[in-house]
Amino acid sequence: EVQLVESGGNLVQPGGSLRLSCAASGFTFSDHYMEWVRQAPGKGLEWVGLSRNKARSYTTEYAASVQGRFTILRDDSKNSLYLQMNSLKTEDTAVYYCARRPLVGGRHFDYWGQGTLVTVSS
Amino acid sequence: DIQLTQSPSFLSASVGDRVTITCRASQGISSFLAWYQQEPAKAPKFLIYAASTLQSGVPSRFSGSGSGTEFTLTISSLQPEDFATYYCQQLNSYPLTFGGGTKVEIK
Repeated sequence: EVQLVESGGNLVQPGGSLRLSCAASGFTFSDHYMEWVRQAPGKGLEWVGLSRNKARSYTTEYAASVQGRFTILRDDSKNSLYLQMNSLKTEDTAVYYCARRPLVGGRHFDYWGQGTLVTVSS
Repeated sequence: DIQLTQSPSFLSASVGDRVTITCRASQGISSFLAWYQQEPAKAPKFLIYAASTLQSGVPSRFSGSGSGTEFTLTISSLQPEDFATYYCQQLNSYPLTFGGGTKVEIK
């Protein structure tokens, strides 16, 4: 069974940093592109960024709103995806989801984690 | 960036109703569109990709259609478990973007 479990969400002050983790199981993590998506309280979904697999040199893409502040990392030996968030702003407050992209069929996200809440406030 | 506009943003319907949600893209995206369902306080669930291909296990009352700039998600006979918020997502180009969502509530 595919499982994605996020952790690391917390209350952090503006300007601070936080690192989220996503532990994957039930599939060959190293083969897949992985994504981060966030959802501010009461709002819609916002794509944060993508980590490609080793075959694509672990390259990344980011939304403009987080470019230069957030970094997506992965450790295939630990089946884990990370989101390093620096220079946090109040508008980064959201539930952060990691999601898996399937190997074939398109760029959609076929499995999602349950999410972890990040609150940026003084 | 490609903008996705969903309509309506809210709809009230009864069990057994046929429901249609529209997603319009600001530029052509071929069939690179997915649909997701999100129940309150839960993670999104993937329903449809390539505009019209149903994910395995998704009930056949769900269907998707469209290409280019206009897409629809149809629920042929609304069931109690279908009351949720639905999002479209374009997969044509980065940044990947979502529509604003359509909340389906019980009339």
